[in-house]
Amino acid sequence: DAKTTQPNSMESNEEEPVHLPCNHSTISGTDYIHWYRQLPSQGPEYVIHGLTSNVNNRMASLAIAEDRKSSTLILHRATLRDAAVYYCILSNNNDMRFGAGTRLTVKP
Amino acid sequence: DTGVSQNPRHKITKRGQNVTFRCDPISEHNRLYWYRQTLGQGPEFLTYFQNEAQLEKSRLLSDRFSAERPKGSFSTLEIQRTEQGDSAMYLCASSLAKHSGANVLTFGAGSRLTVL
Repeated sequence: DAKTTQPNSMESNEEEPVHLPCNHSTISGTDYIHWYRQLPSQGPEYVIHGLTSNVNNRMASLAIAEDRKSSTLILHRATLRDAAVYYCILSNNNDMRFGAGTRLTVKP
Repeated sequence: DTGVSQNPRHKITKRGQNVTFRCDPISEHNRLYWYRQTLGQGPEFLTYFQNEAQLEKSRLLSDRFSAERPKGSFSTLEIQRTEQGDSAMYLCASSLAKHSGANVLTFGAGSRLTVL
């Protein structure tokens, strides 16, 4: 399985942008990049996904490097409710395997 | 639709007993996944179904674990002869499979198992 590397933890201040990095140097041409997040005591929830082009939705933006070996999840204005573990996952339509993710702490 | 439903939410059992968890996916979803999550770790993939066919099983799914999805709708995960190491949150997710990696999972709230 293609693997991803994320920092264990990051901190942000409320109402500031947050850039969460993910490295996936062994990504294949058919792998999509997915981001999920898990709030305390809840199951993971979908955030965003993309293949080659940058993507935007109401929750976040996904910036994908031109060589696709890294990506960045961007939260434009962090709120206290964005405190969660964020997972970057590669998927090619088979199973979806999570790593340890990045624990985001948002300070008021 | 109320999303992905898992029951029971909490189960406390004694070592050696059998337990069964049920997952009701979103009705139009044809894929169903099971994961296990221990404290401080990311979800670990166990198995997934497309309709009633079990397409992949992780090495984590020992012979004490069995999962079924008999009619391609709800699924059950049974753990026989439970051990204390089985204590974890068991997560179910469903999706509408696409012919690509753009397969978006919707998770349930999980079933927490405590083995005494």
